[in-house]
Amino acid sequence: DAMVIQNPRYQVTQFGKPVTLSCSQTLNHNVMYWYQQKSSQAPKLLFHYYDKDFNNEADTPDNFQSRRPNTSFCFLDIRSPGLGDAAMYLCATSRDRGAGYEQYFGPGTRLTVT
Amino acid sequence: AQKITQTQPGMFVQEKEAVTLDCTYDTSDQSYGLFWYKQPSSGEMIFLIYQGSYDEQNATEGRYSLNFQKARKSANLVISASQLGDSAMYFCAMSGYFGNEKLTFGTGTRLTIIP
Repeated sequence: DAMVIQNPRYQVTQFGKPVTLSCSQTLNHNVMYWYQQKSSQAPKLLFHYYDKDFNNEADTPDNFQSRRPNTSFCFLDIRSPGLGDAAMYLCATSRDRGAGYEQYFGPGTRLTVT
Repeated sequence: AQKITQTQPGMFVQEKEAVTLDCTYDTSDQSYGLFWYKQPSSGEMIFLIYQGSYDEQNATEGRYSLNFQKARKSANLVISASQLGDSAMYFCAMSGYFGNEKLTFGTGTRLTIIP
């Protein structure tokens, strides 16, 4: 089945230690998104790639970076995780942007910062 | 700017009953899409149903239907014959065009189905 895969499902990192979360998709979708979701809150968009074009949200901290080396893979790098970065990180894809294109989400990576 | 409002933080429903989850939205776009997602405790966001702003018929997907009232700017999700597996967080979301393509989520409704 075509799907969005995230690895690892659970990640523990130390305060200030860089961490990378991975997302891959077999849907061949143009757009890949990264969301941060804290407990009992709605997902918050960090950035997205439209093909190779990177689009950062205005309020995304510089501590968060992303790479998309090819259509299938996208990575979220947190350069110096703080305790406030503990959250669920959701990757999503869509065929195109905007109304009419649903986003397909991966299972998420739950990040713990110690 | 787009905004989604979900006024029910939590709901308890008896198994096999129908349930309506409320969603109202605000946008200045003429063309937009409305979505409902389900998020079980495992964390994955599952797409349920979509309604386009120009669709005249209410969307249906199995036990899910979307009660779209454009003049009232509401897009309520109706789940018929609820099941224990329906217990989850439900998010209403919308997206538009021309700078409003990103998905704007509501705060969610936690639905609990009681046996």
